[in-house]
Amino acid sequence: EPEVTQTPSHQVTQMGQEVILRCVPISNHLYFYWYRQILGQKVEFLVSFYNNEISEKSEIFDDQFSVERPDGSNFTLKIRSTKLEDSAMYFCASSDSLAVNYEQYFGPGTRLTVT
Amino acid sequence: EDKVVQSPLSLVVHEGDTVTLNCSYEVTNFRSLLWYKQEKKAPTFLFMLTSSGIEKKSGRLSSILDKKELFSILNITATQTGDSAVYLCASNTNAGKSTFGDGTTLTVKP
Repeated sequence: EPEVTQTPSHQVTQMGQEVILRCVPISNHLYFYWYRQILGQKVEFLVSFYNNEISEKSEIFDDQFSVERPDGSNFTLKIRSTKLEDSAMYFCASSDSLAVNYEQYFGPGTRLTVT
Repeated sequence: EDKVVQSPLSLVVHEGDTVTLNCSYEVTNFRSLLWYKQEKKAPTFLFMLTSSGIEKKSGRLSSILDKKELFSILNITATQTGDSAVYLCASNTNAGKSTFGDGTTLTVKP
C-alpha cells in the first residue's frame, strides 16, 4: 500500500539553526500539507500546497517557515532559525484531491527537538 | 477564528460498551469534517463528512454530520481494547486549511 514517508524520524538541532524536514508524498497525489503537534497538545495546521503554490497557511507559518517541492517527489519544510518553541512532531500529509471523497494520508512524522 | 471543540476530553469504558464522541465546529468557508484515530504517532483517517444527515459506516464505527447545528458524532459499538486511542476531529475549508480539536482520549478496559 502506498504511504507517505518522512525523514529524518528525529532531528535534534540548536536554537538559531536552520532545519529542513523532508517528505515524500504518495506518488499520484497533488495536495500536500504540513502539520505540527507539540507534545501533549493538539495537531495544528501549518500549510497546504498545490500546483507549486501555497494554498493556505496558518498564523503559525510565519516568515521563518517555507515549503518547497524541489523535484517531482519531495516536499520539504524549512525552518530558517529554529526556536525552542519549534520543538514538536511535524507531520506531512498528502491527498489526491480536495474533492468530496478525498482522504489525507499522514506520514509517520519527524520529531524536532530544539536545544 | 475557526474553532473545533471535542467532548468528552477523555472516556474510560469496558469492552463491549458503545461510545459516542462529539465534535462541534465554528468554521468560515467550511467544506468537510474529518475524523482521525491517533495511536502512537500519526493520525489515521477514519471518515470525511460533507453532507448533513448521511451516516458513514466502517465496521463498528459510524459518523454523521449536522451542518445546521454544526456538530458531528462518532459512534463506536462493541468497543475493543484495540479501539483505545485519541480520536481527533478536524474541519477543513475550501482551501484545504484544517482546524483540529483537542481530541478525545478513549480507553477501553478488558
